[in-house]
Amino acid sequence: ILNVEQSPQSLHVQEGDSTNFTCSFPSSNFYALHWYRWETAKSPEALFVMTLNGDEKKKGRISATLNTKEGYSYLYIKGSQPEDSATYLCAFVRNFGNEKLTFGTGTRLTIIP
Amino acid sequence: DAGITQSPRHKVTETGTPVTLRCHQTENHRYMYWYRQDPGHGLRLIHYSYGVKDTDKGEVSDGYSVSRSKTEDFLLTLESATSSQTSVYFCAISGGQGRSTEAFFGQGTRLTVV
Repeated sequence: ILNVEQSPQSLHVQEGDSTNFTCSFPSSNFYALHWYRWETAKSPEALFVMTLNGDEKKKGRISATLNTKEGYSYLYIKGSQPEDSATYLCAFVRNFGNEKLTFGTGTRLTIIP
Repeated sequence: DAGITQSPRHKVTETGTPVTLRCHQTENHRYMYWYRQDPGHGLRLIHYSYGVKDTDKGEVSDGYSVSRSKTEDFLLTLESATSSQTSVYFCAISGGQGRSTEAFFGQGTRLTVV
């Protein structure tokens, strides 16, 4: 069983503040790391797919970085808004051509107005 | 929206009965997945498929079987439902044509085993 860990499990952030959280994954045989946003009563939606060490991706106020050598990725949210409240999931893919997505348990983010 | 539908959306069944959930896609994606969502566990992989008739077990495959006889359909069967299989089940698809690509999720099936 692959160990994909996310921290913290939950987070409360004041509106307007910036925040970040972590996804840790095995560094051997790395192929890809995905980030998803999952709102309550909806289905997860992809934010980023990252494959290269040192990769940085950005979508609006949300960005992510990737360190494959040490096995971690950070997700950053700048200037949090109430609509950012969701669970953020990372998913690890080991080995090219496999595409077997193993998810972490998620970070539940609540923005306090 | 990606063309992926799950059926049924809700089901209540009795312990010991077989149950089949269906995932249908219109995207011609190679990979299809079945996950279950449980509090404190996020999404756990039950089975996934990397092509027609090609499937592999995930981390929580005991008590489940799958079949993929054509590209568009991936069926999940609970051979003899138990209360521990009460959960929300999500199907997902991804293309993965030579590179890792985002997965698209169905709307989920809420299954209650009584």
